Amino acid sequence: GAGVSQSPRYKVAKRGQDVALRCDPISGHVSLFWYQQALGQGPEFLTYFQNEAQLDKSGLPSDRFFAERPEGSVSTLKIQRTQQEDSAVYLCASSLWTGYTFGSGTRLTVV
Amino acid sequence: AQRVTQPEKLLSVFKGAPVELKCNYSYSGSPELFWYVQYSRQRLQLLLRHISRESIKGFTADLNKGETSFHLKKPFAQEEDSAMYYCALTANSQGGSEKLVFGKGTKLTVNP
Repeated sequence: GAGVSQSPRYKVAKRGQDVALRCDPISGHVSLFWYQQALGQGPEFLTYFQNEAQLDKSGLPSDRFFAERPEGSVSTLKIQRTQQEDSAVYLCASSLWTGYTFGSGTRLTVV
Repeated sequence: AQRVTQPEKLLSVFKGAPVELKCNYSYSGSPELFWYVQYSRQRLQLLLRHISRESIKGFTADLNKGETSFHLKKPFAQEEDSAMYYCALTANSQGGSEKLVFGKGTKLTVNP
């Protein structure tokens, strides 16, 4: 596609529910990043993939957060047993060598 | 630790007035600095990066290593400049990724 596509755009989850957020990067982009943006804050790094390899997951806030990119293209960020503090916009970005292209994000609200 | 500080949460100017959005950083190495912009209901996009030393939409930013600053400036603000602006730096991390470290952002409003 022409840009980075994220789905769903909005997700409301009940506390304790599992959610899966999808990112479709630009075709051929090797690097893929996930960021979390809480209300009133700047984006914060969660994890990084180079093709299918998850090379950096230092930003994942807990073991309830899990990301995968099994074929080096589409990536899924999964959050288990969601809690209210997980409410945020989750941004995906992809890059070929340098320079990111961001998706529109998924706004997750945990009620 | 890498940190980006944007001291102003909100900034309001009149059309035609000069605007400066402040950004200070702390980083032990040689950082690469960026400004990202997010217009209403649009995705985050790159405005400019310090290594390219270019002017985009009339905005410029100079890296001052002595003051560890990368302030964004425009001599004559336009209404269409109203947006959220984020300063960011790249920080080498595990696996060789160049993750971005963002400031909290400044919301610029240009009044008619």
